[in-house]
Parts: sequence; structure tokens; C-alpha cells
Amino acid sequence: AQKVTQAQTEISVVEKEDVTLDCVYETRDTTYYLFWYKQPPSGELVFLIRRNSFDEQNEISGRYSWNFQKSTSSFNFTITASQVVDSAVYFCALSEAGYGGATNKLIFGTGTLLAVQP
Amino acid sequence: NAGVTQTPKFRILKIGQSMTLQCTQDMNHNYMYWYRQDPGMGLKLIYYSVGAGITDKGEVPNGYNVSRSTTEDFPLRLELAAPSQTSVYFCASSYSSPQETQYFGPGTRLLVL
Repeated sequence: AQKVTQAQTEISVVEKEDVTLDCVYETRDTTYYLFWYKQPPSGELVFLIRRNSFDEQNEISGRYSWNFQKSTSSFNFTITASQVVDSAVYFCALSEAGYGGATNKLIFGTGTLLAVQP
Repeated sequence: NAGVTQTPKFRILKIGQSMTLQCTQDMNHNYMYWYRQDPGMGLKLIYYSVGAGITDKGEVPNGYNVSRSTTEDFPLRLELAAPSQTSVYFCASSYSSPQETQYFGPGTRLLVL
């Protein structure tokens, strides 16, 4: 069964602190895709990153970085030098390629609410 | 490019009423999806479509219907609104499959009283 767990319900940091949001996933497929989305207080969902299961290189984009470790089934997201504008709910999501029972869906975790205090 | 647009932004319904949530995308995407987001939860798939004329159920389809007559439009219909359908509804689209990046609309907040 496919599942995404974001154990951190809420995190509060002070501006300029680094913060890591955890994401642990479960899948039986060898080919799958992992995503992070940001949902700011305005409510829309903003795509951040997509990673396939064969690419374990860490990704960095400005203050954002992602650490993908297949050995621990984790896809963690780090914000360096956090800013107030980073305050949002962050969702991790998983999509299997379809072996062993095709699934046409994106499975979301329950999200982590990040509050960055000035 | 407007991306994915949804109307209305907010609606209050009485129990038993019906309504249609509109979704349009201008990216020529083949796949379209409807999700609902309940407080403190992630998104759950209601229905999806792999192309015009083809739709299928997701995880939580009960109480909803969809149609896909064009590539651009994917309306979601609530026939007999119930309080359990109070939620935020998101429409999304992707070019070729759920493994591609899904782009989301701004959402429709629905309150059923």
C-alpha cells in the first residue's frame, strides 16, 4: 500500500533559523515519484519539486533543499535561513508508476504547518 | 496562460441543494483531477479524467459526479449536498499522467448548512 507520513504537525521557528520538514513514504513499486507542494495562507497549492525514484541526488534551489534517501524511504525538505514568507502548510506527496496495480492518484501526507516568527 | 481556474471561490449551500463546481485549464493537459481537502488533512482524490469523454472514480467519489466533454473543462457536480461535503475543493491538471507534475487551481470553499 502507498502511504505518506508527515509526522510533524506544526513547527514554529524564528526568522533566519534553518528548518527541516520530514516526509516518510511507503510503496511497493520500484518506480515512483515524490513531490512537495506549498500551501500559503491564501490557500492555493504551489508546486515546489518533483523527484523520481531513480534520482537520489540531493536538490538545492536557493534557500530550499531536498534530501532523498531510498534506504530510509524519506524525502525531507530543508529551508535555510527561514523567512516570514515561508509560513505555510507544506505537503509531501507520492505517485506510483503503476506496477502491481495501476494507481491514478497522487497520495498526499497530512501536511506540516510551518510558522516563521519575525 | 491562466493555468487552472475554478469558480466559484466560495459558496454556501443548504442541505439537499445541488451545484456544479467549474474547472477550466488552458495548458492542453490531458489529465484532470478533483480533490477535496478537509481541515488538518491532505488532499483526497474524488474523480479524475485521462481525456475528453473518459472519467473514473478516485478514493472518495460518493455524492459527486463529473463529466469531461472537452479537454479544457472538468466540472464537478454535487447532487444532494450534505454537511459532510463541507470542504475545500481543488481542481488540478497534468500533461500526461499522475506521475507528471499536477498544477492546481485556487480552490473552491464550500459550506453546506
